[in-house]
Amino acid sequence: DIQMTQSPSTLSASVGDRVAITCRASQSISTWLAWYQQKPGKAPKLLISKASSLESGVPSRFSGSGSATEFTLTISSLQPDDFATYYCQQYDTYWTFGQGTKVEIK
Amino acid sequence: QVHLVESGGGVVQPGRSLRLSCAASGFTFSSYSVHWVRQAPGKGLEWVAVMSHDGSNKYYADSVKGRFTVSRDNSKSTLYLQMNSLRDEDTAVYYCARGVGRIQLWLSAFDIWGQGTMVTVSP
Repeated sequence: DIQMTQSPSTLSASVGDRVAITCRASQSISTWLAWYQQKPGKAPKLLISKASSLESGVPSRFSGSGSATEFTLTISSLQPDDFATYYCQQYDTYWTFGQGTKVEIK
Repeated sequence: QVHLVESGGGVVQPGRSLRLSCAASGFTFSSYSVHWVRQAPGKGLEWVAVMSHDGSNKYYADSVKGRFTVSRDNSKSTLYLQMNSLRDEDTAVYYCARGVGRIQLWLSAFDIWGQGTMVTVSP
């Protein structure tokens, strides 16, 4: 089974900050990686697929990069609406999520 | 508008059964694979099961294999999850989610999610 490990688990930041979340796969998954945003009591929302492909309607301050086993989600200038939990997901072999990164207000 | 709506959750005793439904609208249901994903209270996301667009293929997480069964009725645009021999650790919000790409089963993320239905396994 492919394991996904996110870091950090919690990130404290202020509006306007540039933030980065890392996701590591236990084996190479090429670029078969997605990022989701989840707010309390809501379903996850797909932000990025294929490691760096921004979904329609997602603000351009979100970007994804990486390949093989190392991936990053970057928010260039954190906005109030971005405080949420973010999950990476590999879909190279079956489907596995990372444990999540909570972005909270500093 | 593309929608997925789950139903059927509730409180059930350990060892009992429950069937969840996921009703789709706004897209050609029979052209897409659909997944079940769950989230225990305060925890992360766990993929549970998937059924291909035509029902010919289905796969399960090890944690539910042999106890849960996924099925679909394309004439009703509905996906089901039959959950038997329920355990405390099955307590979670259960989401259905659409796989990206028509016909595609593998190498697809999840682009549309329902709002979830809560399943509580308690004596």
